[in-house]
Amino acid sequence: QVQLVQSGAEVKKPGASVKVSCKASGHNGISWVRQAPGQGLEWMGWITTYNGNTNYAQKFQGRVTMTTDTSTTTTYMELRSLRSDDTAVYYCARREGSGEPNWFDSWGQGTLVTVSS
Amino acid sequence: QSVLTQPPSVSGAPGQRVTISCTGSSSNIGAGYDVHWYQQLPGTVPKLLIYANSNRPSGVPDRFSGSKSGTSASLAITGLQAEDEADYYCQSYDSSLSGSVFGGGTKLTVL
Repeated sequence: QVQLVQSGAEVKKPGASVKVSCKASGHNGISWVRQAPGQGLEWMGWITTYNGNTNYAQKFQGRVTMTTDTSTTTTYMELRSLRSDDTAVYYCARREGSGEPNWFDSWGQGTLVTVSS
Repeated sequence: QSVLTQPPSVSGAPGQRVTISCTGSSSNIGAGYDVHWYQQLPGTVPKLLIYANSNRPSGVPDRFSGSKSGTSASLAITGLQAEDEADYYCQSYDSSLSGSVFGGGTKLTVL
């Protein structure tokens, strides 16, 4: 199974930005999914690593950017204008399948982002 | 409110069979998009349980099975075991939202 290793926990103030990294190899694309404390899973978007194509959930459009560095096989998710309700564990997950919806067969360990003044 | 509706909780005794429903609409499951299922044990990362409606990844016991019909999908667990106690999520694609969507999750309690 592909291993995905994410960056460590972050604490940010409201209005700030956070950039979470996910190092993985052997994939065509990565999705980002978040989970607020005690809540369910929420899909944020995906990036195709070989061409940089992205698709963001409507809820996050204008506030999220996903990028990839093929030289280091690292994918990044940046979320801007943070609010307290952005406090969540953010997961990267490998996309599998030839069409929508992709499924996620390998997951990173999660990165806790806490937004607090 | 999630686009895909799951019961908040289900329960069953060891050895029993339980099902978890995932109800969508004509813009997601009803449009023919596949459904995938994930299991999240307490304090752990989600794990793929069923993909493309009814396929099990290697290593997933055949006690877990999935099906899809119309605008709904179901996850069935037979021979319930204490270790099955977890949260279960369905996932599909919604054409109105142009992206993946998850159900709200179902907490399975083994009595």
